[in-house]
Amino acid sequence: QSALTQPRSVSGSPRQSVTISCTGSSSDVGRYNFVSWYQQQPGKAPKLIVYDVSKRPSGVPDRFSGSKSGNTAALTISGLLPEDESDYYCCSYAGDYTWVFGGGTTLTVL
Amino acid sequence: QITLKESGPTLVKPTQTLTLTCTLSGFSVNTRGVGVGWIRQPPGKALEWLAVVYWDDDVGYSPSLKNRLTIARDPSNNQVVLTMTNMDPMDTATYYCARRPLVASGYFDYWGQGTPVTVSS
Repeated sequence: QSALTQPRSVSGSPRQSVTISCTGSSSDVGRYNFVSWYQQQPGKAPKLIVYDVSKRPSGVPDRFSGSKSGNTAALTISGLLPEDESDYYCCSYAGDYTWVFGGGTTLTVL
Repeated sequence: QITLKESGPTLVKPTQTLTLTCTLSGFSVNTRGVGVGWIRQPPGKALEWLAVVYWDDDVGYSPSLKNRLTIARDPSNNQVVLTMTNMDPMDTATYYCARRPLVASGYFDYWGQGTPVTVSS
């Protein structure tokens, strides 16, 4: 079970859109529609922002959207705001009651 | 209001066993479908999933740490306990517990604030 692969960093200007990819395998991302995304501010616990590939918890702006194709999931943040600057982690169910996280992506809003 | 709170030692010596407790509030560890997992994060590094226990006592462990971990429910105190044996400095991290809310759900919706653990002699 290897960690999911995410870009180390992405950046964008305010009001632009960015997409963070999350590549797994046919044993996790490709097999299950249980991909979730978490936003983590410095010194804080992760916060769920997308679950089941593309669903948003109550209170999460619709600027955050998720998708999946094959073994790769993606998080798109549109209309970037300065407060979106954060670390983002993807996570996938991997079968047999196990989960796997990605290596994390740092988003910089220029 | 749903909260989770981790507790345990902040410093352990190499080779010792770490015991962490996650105290739940606003939901029960007995509720059908509920699971509670542990995730850790070394300083400056990524999240790593460790283990999960479900309402029916089914468990899951990270394959790479399976031999060192034990997770269990304590329904009388509405807690979940994680033990990790043979601690090493590489296990220095903030340890989080989090709730998996529903049957066949694949995400963790509420997280504790985390508890830092340093492994050093």
